[in-house]
Amino acid sequence: SYELTQPPSVSVSPGQTASITCSGNKLGDKYASWYQQKPGQPPARVIYQDTKRPSGVPERFSGSNSGNTATLTISGTQAMDEADYYCQSWDSRTVVFGGGTKLTVL
Amino acid sequence: HLQVQESGPGLVKSSETLSLTCTVSGGSMNSSTSYWDWIRQPPGKGLEWIGSVYYSGNTDYNPSLKSRVTISADTSKKQFSLKVTSVTAADTAVYYCGRRYCDGDCFSTYFDDWGQGVLVTVSS
Repeated sequence: SYELTQPPSVSVSPGQTASITCSGNKLGDKYASWYQQKPGQPPARVIYQDTKRPSGVPERFSGSNSGNTATLTISGTQAMDEADYYCQSWDSRTVVFGGGTKLTVL
Repeated sequence: HLQVQESGPGLVKSSETLSLTCTVSGGSMNSSTSYWDWIRQPPGKGLEWIGSVYYSGNTDYNPSLKSRVTISADTSKKQFSLKVTSVTAADTAVYYCGRRYCDGDCFSTYFDDWGQGVLVTVSS
């Protein structure tokens, strides 16, 4: 079965750039989406189709996808961005989620 | 604005069947680009996709759960449901229902709407 691998945790200082990776076999040939989840809340989409931002998502969130790795980048990270982040793709009629990355804003 | 909301028992006994319903409001289930999904999240852990149903009744399931899971839809009631048989403590999780966008072959697919989730605890 297809797997997506994320680092368990990433730390960033306020105002700096955070990068969260998601690795999967030939992931660049598929679309990747990213979700932000804060404690006690359902996930919320922040990136879809590799690079697109839903309405209302700040411009500091951006995405890329090439080769075997999709990356979520948060520029000028703010304290409110501290959350768990999950990547998601599709393979063989199955939705696949990455294991999630806890972003800590120190 | 479309909304989805889970309902069902918060406590299920081990070896029994877990049953949940998701009610759709503010929109139709009969959209060619919408799939209706169940996702779960064990306490302190990540997201696990359970499966989906299309308005036509077609279903897709996570292979790891397929033998125990049934998802069905009643579009006239604007509801879809989840059944998981022979539950164990490992099935304890927050269960989310959601609407997933899917283009023709689902090359582009992502979740548009999520319910608030319902915690289901499996007791011995």
